[in-house]
Amino acid sequence: AQSVAQPEDQVNVAEGNPLTVKCTYSVSGNPYLFWYVQYPNRGLQFLLKYITGDNLVKGSYGFEAEFNKSQTSFHLKKPSALVSDSALYFCAVRPRYGQNFVFGPGTRLSVLP
Amino acid sequence: DAGVTQSPTHLIKTRGQQVTLRCSPKSGHDTVSWYQQALGQGPQFIFQYYEEEERQRGNFPDRFSGHQFPNYSSELNVNALLLGDSALYLCASSFGSGGGTDTQYFGPGTRLTVL
Repeated sequence: AQSVAQPEDQVNVAEGNPLTVKCTYSVSGNPYLFWYVQYPNRGLQFLLKYITGDNLVKGSYGFEAEFNKSQTSFHLKKPSALVSDSALYFCAVRPRYGQNFVFGPGTRLSVLP
Repeated sequence: DAGVTQSPTHLIKTRGQQVTLRCSPKSGHDTVSWYQQALGQGPQFIFQYYEEEERQRGNFPDRFSGHQFPNYSSELNVNALLLGDSALYLCASSFGSGGGTDTQYFGPGTRLTVL
């Protein structure tokens, strides 16, 4: 079965410090990997995706993610967190020959001033 | 450039009723996917429409059905509503013939409450 795990329900970080939101997946083949962010009462906003190539992917708002094939992980990172980064973050995996996303349960990020 | 729009924003129904949710894709997009997001959970894939046909379906009962119109807009219909159908329903649009690299762009969602 396909699954995505985000082992931390909540991540707290001080403003200006680096942040990491973890994601691991169990999907056969070489899936495509995505990160989305959701603000209160809003839909999901696309941050970045990994298709192929360099394992470090850069996305919107200064976020980046590191793909690790051997560990089947795709952790989201940002060198310096902002209070405005506080939101719900979802990792999503898409099978290479499928149409649907498989989403993780989400990680709530709180950046403290 | 308008993004993905959904209507209505909120909806309250009672058990056994039927509901229709609507979605207009981002300009230039031809594919629409629907997701159900229960409180505190990640979105769950319902189905995807392309060229007015259902291309793939998730693990949802036949009570959930959809339609895509020639202008690429889409409807999600849910019959015989259950309390467990209460959720945020998200529509996402993308462009392309279905290659997995397509980025899906999400609308703000419709909050359905079933009493």
